[in-house]
Amino acid sequence: NAGVMQNPRHLVRRRGQEARLRCSPMKGHSHVYWYRQLPEEGLKFMVYLQKENIIDESGMPKERFSAEFPKEGPSILRIQQVVRGDSAAYFCASSPAPQETQYFGPGTRLLVL
Amino acid sequence: AQSVTQPDIHITVSEGASLELRCNYSYGATPYLFWYVQSPGQGLQLLLKYFSGDTLVQGIKGFEAEFKRSQSSFNLRKPSVHWSDAAEYFCAVGVYGNKLVFGAGTILRVKS
Repeated sequence: NAGVMQNPRHLVRRRGQEARLRCSPMKGHSHVYWYRQLPEEGLKFMVYLQKENIIDESGMPKERFSAEFPKEGPSILRIQQVVRGDSAAYFCASSPAPQETQYFGPGTRLLVL
Repeated sequence: AQSVTQPDIHITVSEGASLELRCNYSYGATPYLFWYVQSPGQGLQLLLKYFSGDTLVQGIKGFEAEFKRSQSSFNLRKPSVHWSDAAEYFCAVGVYGNKLVFGAGTILRVKS
């Protein structure tokens, strides 16, 4: 049973470009969570999605960030017009239901030049 | 607001020595509590979790944690540390069943 998959593992973008991060949850999991880990900090919740629905986006910056989890395909975290402060590790987790254990992917390390 | 405090940023222990990593949480309802471990450049691996029941929880790799409601604590312990345990350890509380609130992490160094 494959774990949570994220790609790319490393992403380099110049300021002003778009970053698109993908997450495929574990088989049988329909709940996806995105977290951001800034250098020297713990993980911060960004958004919680179920298929085709955003359930909780209380941790998402108000501008430039968006997330989706379509009926088919992976969950996507999109960052438009990236700035240097967006450089971080972005982790995706999945669970089979709310209040169940979240299993994490390997993360995408985003570097903005 | 919900929060998790890991008071020790770095801990160094000798191989074979016992280990205790501290975690205190602030959350009004019954907490779901977790310990995860992260090796450099890697994702997070679940060590153990507490949802309800027995307050002493056993996890993988010989780790255990004890939930103490009166102290709002969920400290992680291991009786004998191995060099491969060197990593960063995160305590987290599940909030409203959806998101995890993490502590800042404790970096464990193991000296031989």
